[in-house]
Amino acid sequence: AQSVTQLGSHVSVSEGALVLLRCNYSSSVPPYLFWYVQYPNQGLQLLLKYTSAATLVKGINGFEAEFKKSETSFHLTKPSAHMSDAAEYFCAVSEGFGNEKLTFGTGTRLTIIP
Amino acid sequence: DAGITQSPRHKVTETGTPVTLRCHQTENHRYMYWYRQDPGHGLRLIHYSYGVKDTDKGEVSDGYSVSRSKTEDFLLTLESATSSQTSVYFCAISESEDRGREAFFGQGTRLTVV
Repeated sequence: AQSVTQLGSHVSVSEGALVLLRCNYSSSVPPYLFWYVQYPNQGLQLLLKYTSAATLVKGINGFEAEFKKSETSFHLTKPSAHMSDAAEYFCAVSEGFGNEKLTFGTGTRLTIIP
Repeated sequence: DAGITQSPRHKVTETGTPVTLRCHQTENHRYMYWYRQDPGHGLRLIHYSYGVKDTDKGEVSDGYSVSRSKTEDFLLTLESATSSQTSVYFCAISESEDRGREAFFGQGTRLTVV
């Protein structure tokens, strides 16, 4: 079975500072990896996805992530944090063929310090 | 935004009563999913559907059943609600068998079992 580990359930950064949210995965097949963001009282919105093309993936709102097979990692970064980035972030891996079942990490709540 | 409507958005029910949550989509997507979100657990898959009348169990299916009689509707039923089923429930849809296709999420249903 595939799994995802997100290191740090809470991360705080100052406005303008680098955002780094960590995600490691385990998979028996080449993975497809996703980052989703959830704002308070809302559903999940896709930030970006890795689908075996370029290892550096750019997403919405200035976020990007790099797939590193040797480290089984897919960390999410943003060079300069904005107050509007405060949210919960989920890393996910798709498993199996023939459907889009997603296995999620436990999430990281990002707080931005003014 | 993907056309996904969950109803009700909030519900309080008593232990032992049956509860049905509805997910309605206007995208004509083949795949539909029910997840529950709990602190410290992220999102966990309850059941999913890969077509009309075609459903399968997810990671945390005990105590839940589903039905899909039309492409656009996916119902989640708690046969006899328990306090451990207090959670936020999300419906998701995805378009195809391609694992790179992202899932789109509804706004969620907050269920409280008292």
